[in-house]
Parts: sequence; structure tokens; C-alpha cells
Amino acid sequence: DIVLTQSPATLSVTPGESVSLSCRASQGISTSKHWYQQKSNESPRLLIKYASQSISGIPSRFSGSGSGTDFTLSINRVESEDFSVYYCQQSYSLPRTFGGGTKLELK
Amino acid sequence: EVQLVESGGGLVQPGASLKLSCVASGFTVSDYWMSWVRQTPGKTMEWIGDFKYDGSYTNYAPSLKNRFTISRDNAKSTLYLQMSNVRSEDTATYYCTRGVTTFDYWGQGVMVTVSS
Repeated sequence: DIVLTQSPATLSVTPGESVSLSCRASQGISTSKHWYQQKSNESPRLLIKYASQSISGIPSRFSGSGSGTDFTLSINRVESEDFSVYYCQQSYSLPRTFGGGTKLELK
Repeated sequence: EVQLVESGGGLVQPGASLKLSCVASGFTVSDYWMSWVRQTPGKTMEWIGDFKYDGSYTNYAPSLKNRFTISRDNAKSTLYLQMSNVRSEDTATYYCTRGVTTFDYWGQGVMVTVSS
């Protein structure tokens, strides 16, 4: 199975800061990597697909980059509604796997 | 509006069976692969499996393949997850999702607690 390692586990920021969240795959997965946001007591929401492709309805401050084994989710100027947990997921091979998540919290 | 609504969860004893349902609306179910994903109380996300739109193909997580079965009834726009011989480690929130590589819509989730 492909293991996805997200770092850091927790990121404390103040609104207005720009941040980068990392997801590293245990083997190369091309760009078959996707990002989800999960707010407290809600279902996950797809943010970015195939490493860098935007999703309709998602604010433009969210962007993704990377290929191979190293991927980044960037949030330009964090807003209060962005404090959530972020998960990466790979679709390169079966079984689909998820990272352990990064919690973005208010400093 | 796309909606996925799960049901059938609850408290179940170890070794028992349970069948979850997911009713879809707002899109043509027979045009899409559908998947089940679960989230443990510790927030770990685990893919369970998926089901092709025409019913011709199903994939499962190897660790669950012998106990979990996914099926669907396109006429009822419903996806099912049959769980058998459940264990304490199956305690989780179970989500029905649309898609096979990316999961673009998720249900609200249904909680399953396995305990005696």
C-alpha cells in the first residue's frame, strides 16, 4: 500500500498568514494526489484534485503543487473559516489511501 | 443538488452483521462509480471499496474484502455496504462518496459502534 505522510500534524497560524501543508508519498504517484478539507463535525470536502487542479466553488486562495512523491497544499492568507483538518489522498493505485491529516488551528 | 444520505448505522455486537444504505439524488447514479470510506474515532480515514456504475466491477481494501460487500440498486439510486462478522476496530463513521479516484461528494456519514 502507498503510505501518505502529512506534516506537520498541527499548524498554528493567525488569520492573514499564508501557509503550506505537506504530503509525502512512500513511492512515486505522478500527480494522482488529491486534497480534502474537513471542518469540525462535517464531512470532508474535495479542495484540489490531481495535485494542482482547482475545484469549482473552492476559494482561489487554495492551491496545490507537486508530483512524484512530494506535494504541497498552499493557503494564501488564511481566513477564519479555513481552520480545519486537511487530508491528502492518492488514486495512483489500489487500495486508495489517505494521509493522517494536518490540523490547521488558530494561534 | 447532489445529495448522499446514509442510514443503517448504530450499536452492534461483535460478530454480528449490518447493512448500510446510501440514497443518492441530484445526479444519475448509473453514470458514476461510487465508493465507501470510513473514519475512525481517532480520525483516520480508510477507503473501503468502490463499485462501477454498471455493476461490472468492484474493488475492496484487502483487509476488508472477506467481510464487507458493496452492492447497488440503480433503480433505487441506492448504494449498500454489507458488513459481516464485525469487530471492535470496525467502529467508525461510514461515508458514502461519489467517485473512484477523487471523491467529489460525500454523505453526512453514519456512525457504527461495535461493542458488547
